[in-house]
Amino acid sequence: NAGVMQNPRHLVRRRGQEARLRCSPMKGHSHVYWYRQLPEEGLKFMVYLQKENIIDESGMPKERFSAEFPKEGPSILRIQQVVRGDSAAYFCASSPPAGTDYQETQYFGPGTRLLVL
Amino acid sequence: AQTVTQSQPEMSVQEAETVTLSCTYDTSENNYYLFWYKQPPSRQMILVIRQEAYKQQNATENRFSVNFQKAAKSFSLKISDSQLGDTAMYFCAFITSGTYKYIFGTGTRLKVLA
Repeated sequence: NAGVMQNPRHLVRRRGQEARLRCSPMKGHSHVYWYRQLPEEGLKFMVYLQKENIIDESGMPKERFSAEFPKEGPSILRIQQVVRGDSAAYFCASSPPAGTDYQETQYFGPGTRLLVL
Repeated sequence: AQTVTQSQPEMSVQEAETVTLSCTYDTSENNYYLFWYKQPPSRQMILVIRQEAYKQQNATENRFSVNFQKAAKSFSLKISDSQLGDTAMYFCAFITSGTYKYIFGTGTRLKVLA
């Protein structure tokens, strides 16, 4: 059973460009979460999605950031017009459906390191 | 507000020795889960151990065990027979039952010395 997949692992963008980060959850998982980790800090919650639905985006900046989890394909975290402060590691996690064992346990992908020049 | 505190920014331990990483948390909830995640230099987040608050028995996974003190809101991680591969950042995390937002501590950087 493959783990959570994220790509790219490293992404370099110049200020003003767009960044697209992809996440494929573990097989059988229907809940996807995005977290951001700034240097020397813990992970901070950004958004929680289920298929075709954003459940909670309270941790995501209101401007320039958006997320989706379409019916088919990976979840996408999109950052428009990137700025240097967006440089961070972005982690995706997934969890099993409600009512299953370990439903509260989130399994993390390897992360995408975004560097904005 | 719920918080997780890791008061040891850095620690080191000799190979084969035992080390304990501390974590305290603050919540008014009664049902919740606690986790330790390991982040090696590769930066991958790896689940080390998980504890349900309603279980009094401390969780154990091979060389890793926890000391869960619910009344004191303490959740320390003990690593026995430390190995060089244990060198990593260790994050303590908390989640209230029925919710989905993990609250992470700021991490403890552990270095295992040969």
